[in-house]
Amino acid sequence: EAQVTQNPRYLITVTGKKLTVTCSQNMNHEYMSWYRQDPGLGLRQIYYSMNVEVTDKGDVPEGYKVSRKEKRNFPLILESPSPNQTSLYFCASSLASGRVHEQYFGPGTRLTVT
Amino acid sequence: EDQVTQSPEALRLQEGESSSLNCSYTVSGLRGLFWYRQDPGKGPEFLFTLYSAGEEKEKERLKATLTKKESFLHITAPKPEDSATYLCAVQARTTDSWGKLQFGAGTQVVVTP
Repeated sequence: EAQVTQNPRYLITVTGKKLTVTCSQNMNHEYMSWYRQDPGLGLRQIYYSMNVEVTDKGDVPEGYKVSRKEKRNFPLILESPSPNQTSLYFCASSLASGRVHEQYFGPGTRLTVT
Repeated sequence: EDQVTQSPEALRLQEGESSSLNCSYTVSGLRGLFWYRQDPGKGPEFLFTLYSAGEEKEKERLKATLTKKESFLHITAPKPEDSATYLCAVQARTTDSWGKLQFGAGTQVVVTP
């Protein structure tokens, strides 16, 4: 079954404690992206990757890091989480050929930073 | 600055009462406009991609249209199962990076029996 998986689905942590949210896709997609979703603000793009070892900033990259060492995985790293990073996070993937095609989204990770 | 604005924020419909959702955008050039549906607690689900003004796409009770400044998602004779938040996203035709996407805040649609 074609899918995007994220782990963990729920996470409560404390300010400053480094964490990683994993994202994996089994569709051999070149493009992967991370979003955060907050009430009233919609989905905002954090980082995206157009292929292995190629990443770029979205609209809200501050406080986040990513890496793309393998095609299927695109982890999101919060080196020193703060309460304003409490949010619902989505990973997505897509075929890419000079443009983004339809994206497949993961189930989401709800992060609370206290 | 690129912007994507969706209206209305919320829409309450009676079953069978057709309506339209609006997505207006200001980008330097449009590479693609996407519509997604999102159910509570789930990730967005792809509906349509539109690439050029005048283009239309249909799927069951949904029809998406595109002009140079906005897109409409028409819901014809909606059913309660069409209740969801509908999201619009825009990919701009910039030279630095084509991977950037901007989403609108969404329109929450509730269809009552």
